[in-house]
Amino acid sequence: RKEVEQDPGPFNVPEGATVAFNCTYSNSASQSFFWYRQDCRKEPKLLMSVYSSGNEDGRFTAQLNRASQYISLLIRDSKLSDSATYLCVVKGGDSSASKIIFGSGTRLSIRP
Amino acid sequence: DAGVIQSPRHEVTEMGQEVTLRCKPISGHDYLFWYRQTMMRGLELLIYFNNNVPIDDSGMPEDRFSAKMPNASFSTLKIQPSEPRDSAVYFCASSYSASSEAFFGQGTRLTVV
Repeated sequence: RKEVEQDPGPFNVPEGATVAFNCTYSNSASQSFFWYRQDCRKEPKLLMSVYSSGNEDGRFTAQLNRASQYISLLIRDSKLSDSATYLCVVKGGDSSASKIIFGSGTRLSIRP
Repeated sequence: DAGVIQSPRHEVTEMGQEVTLRCKPISGHDYLFWYRQTMMRGLELLIYFNNNVPIDDSGMPEDRFSAKMPNASFSTLKIQPSEPRDSAVYFCASSYSASSEAFFGQGTRLTVV
């Protein structure tokens, strides 16, 4: 089983739609969680951290469910510029506290 | 700060040749990570360092791969000898602390022919 699993997509949604991604992780000792965005042929960049209480940044909302070991990202009122691959990231664990593991990413395509 | 700097941006080499990828982390960051990205396998963590010391190299594919960090501002990833299946984008990333996010360089696109 992969340490971090994501639905690869692609998700193809119209502009203005709301879209949600989920991600599950296997190591219950994981400590920090992030969502990254990667555009084609570019490096991954931090979109937002994920906090235990959930957090929002404009149109983006991230949630963490430690009991079920999953993380979610919700994008409201999607824009064409949101088209990218979204990577779920898990950091830390009992054997290697600073190890950063990426999911394989979920591709999102927003159509006009 | 200029961010994480990797060189070269592109490398094309023949099978059997030695390849050296270079990385300069963000100043003050204590953690440095090397990743490899392919369409088939996504982003794979190869090795990471804390204060210049390798902490976890369990992701290094085989003995042909080696990584060093001689000081806080420089790291190398070496492949010797290179093989076509090593073709990928290699990213270096650094982070300030054990709980903070990682910042990525622009990557080195390696093609082994």
